[in-house]
Formats: sequence, structure tokens, C-alpha cells
Amino acid sequence: QQQVKQSPQSLIVQKGGISIINCAYENTAFDYFPWYQQFPGKGPALLIAIRPDVSEKKEGRFTISFNKSAKQFSLHIMDSQPGDSATYFCAASNNSGGSNYKLTFGKGTLLTVNP
Amino acid sequence: DTEVTQTPKHLVMGMTNKKSLKCEQHMGHRAMYWYKQKAKKPPELMFVYSYEKLSINESVPSRFSPECPNSSLLNLHLHALQPEDSALYLCASSHRYDRVYQPQHFGDGTRLSIL
Repeated sequence: QQQVKQSPQSLIVQKGGISIINCAYENTAFDYFPWYQQFPGKGPALLIAIRPDVSEKKEGRFTISFNKSAKQFSLHIMDSQPGDSATYFCAASNNSGGSNYKLTFGKGTLLTVNP
Repeated sequence: DTEVTQTPKHLVMGMTNKKSLKCEQHMGHRAMYWYKQKAKKPPELMFVYSYEKLSINESVPSRFSPECPNSSLLNLHLHALQPEDSALYLCASSHRYDRVYQPQHFGDGTRLSIL
């Protein structure tokens, strides 16, 4: 019940296209959903995060869509650029117990944006 | 540039060696974390420090020994490691682990190879 299922495992998109990565969770206690971007040889960098009281959050070309009833959330990258080529991890945590230390990660999506 | 600094970037050691990894942050965060990341996998939590006290140990073998000398520094002492311990070791920090909805910020890691 602690899993976060992420798909696809890999994704190839043309420059200017839309990249979509999906995540699904089972634990209804999850209430914080960050996305991390990781380039080779670097650590994960926080990209954007959402709480279930909103259905969508946008920051620049990156948008999280959240469907609480379906227990799904997704990352959309508009106008994808070669510089967006990286591994993307979705994650979830349960903050109801007063702590947020435990991040449950998806398995990651390797995004390649072709020029 | 990441605000969590890890040194060294690369480390090669034999199974009988003793070495230490260092992590430093100057964001005033009071929670610090050690993660292990194998290739093409998400990070796995190892330890959590809150206000310089060890709060969480995710059943990590005793050959890994964490230390938090002050609120800005986190060390991971290594002794008698095994080849399967070869991985990227990531440090992260957040405001407080008992304050909800606080994102974790990662360093770029130490790439550890055990001969």
C-alpha cells in the first residue's frame, strides 16, 4: 500500500512536444506529492509539488495535474526542450502524522527530448 | 547550483578501509537525511537527523555510521563496506522533519565504489 507506480519507464519526445508522466498511488493518507528532476551525475532537484486540495499547479512549462478520486497525478512538460532530458521521479508522503520525512518514490522515467 | 554541498564527489575504497562522506547546508534547515541510490533506481532513505539527533535509522547495517556535529554538517562514516554498497550517496535537508509539507533538497551526491 506504500507504493507509487510511475509510467512510462522511458519516454522519447520531439522538441516542442508535450511530455506526460503519470503516477498512481494506493495509500489514501498520502497528502504531499513532489516531483524531482535528476540529471546524470547530479542529485534530484525539486521541480514542483502539489497538495490534494488543488487539482492543478503550474510553474512555467511544468504542470502537475492531480485527481484525488482516481489517486493519480501527472507531470506535463509543455514545449519540451533537449535540456529537459533527465530522469523524473514522482514521490508522495504522508504528513498527517506530523512528519514528512518518508518520501515514497516512483521508479523513475527517463525522458529524452530529441532536437 | 545546489545549496547542499557534498564532498568528495567520487570515492574509491577497499573493503578494509575507513572513510567518511561529508554534507553541508547553510539554509538553516534542522532536518538532514542520508539516502543511497543505485543506478536507474530511486533514492532509498537511510538516516534522518532532526536538531542534530538521530531520529530515524531505516535498518541500515552498522558499517554505516552517521554523525551530525552541528546543524549545518552531516557525516557518514564508512567501514568494512561490501561491493554491493557501491552507489551514489545523497544528502538532503529540509526545514524540519516534523513540520509538514516541507520539501527535501538534495545535494549532488558522492559516487562511492568499493573494490
